[in-house]
Amino acid sequence: AQRVTQPEKLLSVFKGAPVELKCNYSYSGSPELFWYVQYSRQRLQLLLRHISRESIKGFTADLNKGETSFHLKKPFAQEEDSAMYYCALTFNAGNMLTFGGGTRLMVKP
Amino acid sequence: KAGVTQTPRYLIKTRGQQVTLSCSPISGHRSVSWYQQTPGQGLQFLFEYFSETQRNKGNFPGRFSGRQFSNSRSEMNVSTLELGDSALYLCASSPMGRGTYEQYFGPGTRLTVT
Repeated sequence: AQRVTQPEKLLSVFKGAPVELKCNYSYSGSPELFWYVQYSRQRLQLLLRHISRESIKGFTADLNKGETSFHLKKPFAQEEDSAMYYCALTFNAGNMLTFGGGTRLMVKP
Repeated sequence: KAGVTQTPRYLIKTRGQQVTLSCSPISGHRSVSWYQQTPGQGLQFLFEYFSETQRNKGNFPGRFSGRQFSNSRSEMNVSTLELGDSALYLCASSPMGRGTYEQYFGPGTRLTVT
């Protein structure tokens, strides 16, 4: 069965510092990976997906199939990046997302 | 476009009762998925409906069921409620039935079972 692991429940950094939120997955096939974000008092929303290879709000994520990882990175954290971040995986089976446990990012001024 | 709406937003039920939650997807979206969110288990997939048919089902007991109507609105039902069913139930809609499309989440229904 597929599994997504986010080893850090809480990550605290200072404004302007680099950020890396870790995500590891286990799935024998070729999954599709996503990062979802939930800002305070807002809905869960898509941040980025690996197939798009895009940078959203300065965040990027590279799929490393050898290490089965999909870490989320940003070179300079901003206070408005403080939120709950979820890594998620789906395979060729419709919209069935498997989520990691989430990492709360706190960016201190 | 209006976002995904869920009703009711909050619900308190007693053990043994049943409950029905409703989800209205974004106009034009045909896929509706349901998730349960708890502090202990996190976000877990319940089921997905596409064009009134259940496409996928998560690992939940048969007390959890759902359906989708011709206008894509969806309901989920939980029978014989248990204390452990207390959770935030999220609904998400997507234009099509594949994971490459973004899922848009609703605000959730907070269910408390006493």
